Amino acid sequence: AQSVTQLDSQVPVFEEAPVELRCNYSSSVSVYLFWYVQYPNQGLQLLLKYLSGSTLVESINGFEAEFNKSQTSFHLRKPSVHISDTAEYFCAVSERGTGGFKTIFGAGTRLFVKA
Amino acid sequence: NAGVTQTPKFQVLKTGQSMTLQCAQDMNHNSMYWYRQDPGMGLRLIYYSASEGTTDKGEVPNGYNVSRLNKREFSLRLESAAPSQTSVYFCASGVGLLNEQFFGPGTRLTVL
Repeated sequence: AQSVTQLDSQVPVFEEAPVELRCNYSSSVSVYLFWYVQYPNQGLQLLLKYLSGSTLVESINGFEAEFNKSQTSFHLRKPSVHISDTAEYFCAVSERGTGGFKTIFGAGTRLFVKA
Repeated sequence: NAGVTQTPKFQVLKTGQSMTLQCAQDMNHNSMYWYRQDPGMGLRLIYYSASEGTTDKGEVPNGYNVSRLNKREFSLRLESAAPSQTSVYFCASGVGLLNEQFFGPGTRLTVL
């Protein structure tokens, strides 16, 4: 059985400061890893994903995440955040089950960017 | 291309009433999902459908039923609503084997 742990429920940070949102997972098989972002009153949107290959993946708006197999982590980072990055961020893990691929989401980390 | 659409956006029910949440996608995805989102608990999978004609229980299926009407539509039914089902419900559809998901805007349900 797989699980996803997001270690911080809320992360307050000042604008232009760096941020790291932590995600650890447990799984006995090969996994695919995702970060989704949810802006207020909206559905989730894919931010970035790791499927295979390079362990460092990037999004178009400056976020990056690194897959670390030995530590079973997929932390999300941004070197300089903007007010508009205020949102809730969900780490997710997919693995193949009997009915196809299933995805498990973490509980979410709420990022507050302050001026 | 509307993506994933959900109706209604908001709904208030009394305990014991029934209702169906509708979901449709126009991206030709095989997989569709229903989640509920509660504060501090993230998204929890209620039911999913890996392909047309199949449905499977997720993490929290009790009190719900689903119908995969065709490839586009996947509905969620509450037969006898309870206050514990007050939540925001999201429908999603999945891309192929990699299970990247696309989400609808959500339905905010309150059961009094």
